[in-house]
Parts: sequence; C-alpha cells; structure tokens
Amino acid sequence: RKEVEQDPGPFNVPEGATVAFNCTYSNSASQSFFWYRQDCRKEPKLLMSVYSSGNEDGRFTAQLNRASQYISLLIRDSKLSDSATYLCVVIPLNSGGYQKVTFGTGTKLQVIP
Amino acid sequence: DVKVTQSSRYLVKRTGEKVFLECVQDMDHENMFWYRQDPGLGLRLIYFSYDVKMKEKGDIPEGYSVSREKKERFSLILESASTNQTSMYLCASTGLPLSYGYTFGSGTRLTVV
Repeated sequence: RKEVEQDPGPFNVPEGATVAFNCTYSNSASQSFFWYRQDCRKEPKLLMSVYSSGNEDGRFTAQLNRASQYISLLIRDSKLSDSATYLCVVIPLNSGGYQKVTFGTGTKLQVIP
Repeated sequence: DVKVTQSSRYLVKRTGEKVFLECVQDMDHENMFWYRQDPGLGLRLIYFSYDVKMKEKGDIPEGYSVSREKKERFSLILESASTNQTSMYLCASTGLPLSYGYTFGSGTRLTVV
C-alpha cells in the first residue's frame, strides 16, 4: 500500500458545484497534514493546513479522520480559477530524526463553464 | 513572503554533461530540499539539508549530489546527466518545525538530450 494515496482524477465539475477529494495515508503515527495546490507547469503552493477539529478558509474546508486515516478537501461554489491539481501532504510524528514528508501524487480538478 | 529562487526556469543539456541547479531562499530557513516531479510519480525527494554543510539522501539520490556551503543556498548537481534525469526539479525550504509547511521555488524544467 502506498504511504499516501489520492485519486488522480480528473474531476470535471461545473461552475458553482461542490466537490470533495480524499487522501488516505497508511502511517497511523502521522501528525501534520496539508493541502497544496499546483497549477499547470507551476510549483505547488500551500493551500491550507488540516487541523484535527477541521478547518475552513472561505469556500474551502479541510477535515481529518484519524480513525479511517484520511484527510479531505471540500470546495464549495467552484470557480474556473479553482482548476488545478491538489496535493495532500503528510508528515509523521517527529521521532527525533528526519520527519519524512510524503506528498500524494495529486488530484486534478477541472471546473467547466 | 518567503522567496525561494531557482536560477533557471528551463534548461537543455547534453548527455554526460555536469549540471548545476541553484536554489536560494531569503528567510533564514534551516531546511532545504530538492525534489523531482514526474507525471504519475508525484514529488520524489532527492536530497535534503538541515544545516550548512549537512546533507542527507532522500528517496532517489542516485546520480545526484548536493552542496550547501551557505545557509541560504542549496545546489543540486547532476554529475553526468542522463536522459532519464529529464524532469521538473523543485527546490523547497521550510523553517522548524516542518509542520509550518514548505515553500517551493518555481521549478527548473530540465531536458537532457
């Protein structure tokens, strides 16, 4: 099983729709979680951290389900500008050495007019 | 804003050439990383560094070396470029703890012919 798994998509959704992506992780000791956004031919950029209690930033909601070992990203009222690839990032609990950061391969979102 | 600057956006090199990719960050970050990104494989860690003159191998270090003579600069070296090193190379930096997230450079698209 991969350490971090994402559905590659693409998710094709109409403008205004609500869309959700999941990201599953295999290391139960994982501690920190993030969502990054990557536009075509650009670098990944931090979208939001994922907190245990869930968190919201405008139209974006991130949630963590430790029991089932996945994080989710919900986008409400999709805009054309939301079209991008969304990467999840998982960082394990620091055991004193290097914290192995694992990136998912990304889920592609295409918002259609 | 943290800036991570990669010296070249596009590079074309010949097989067997020695290639230097430079990365500079301006936020006094301790940690710097080199990744390559390939379709379907996601981001793979090549090397990282936690301090000046310190380096650690990532998941795919073969064919690469690094140098960190100053805190702000982390260089990736392809000792003898090969066609399978054609890829997007991304430099990243972060302070401590890693849970603050990464800032990436804009990437170098390297083609080895």
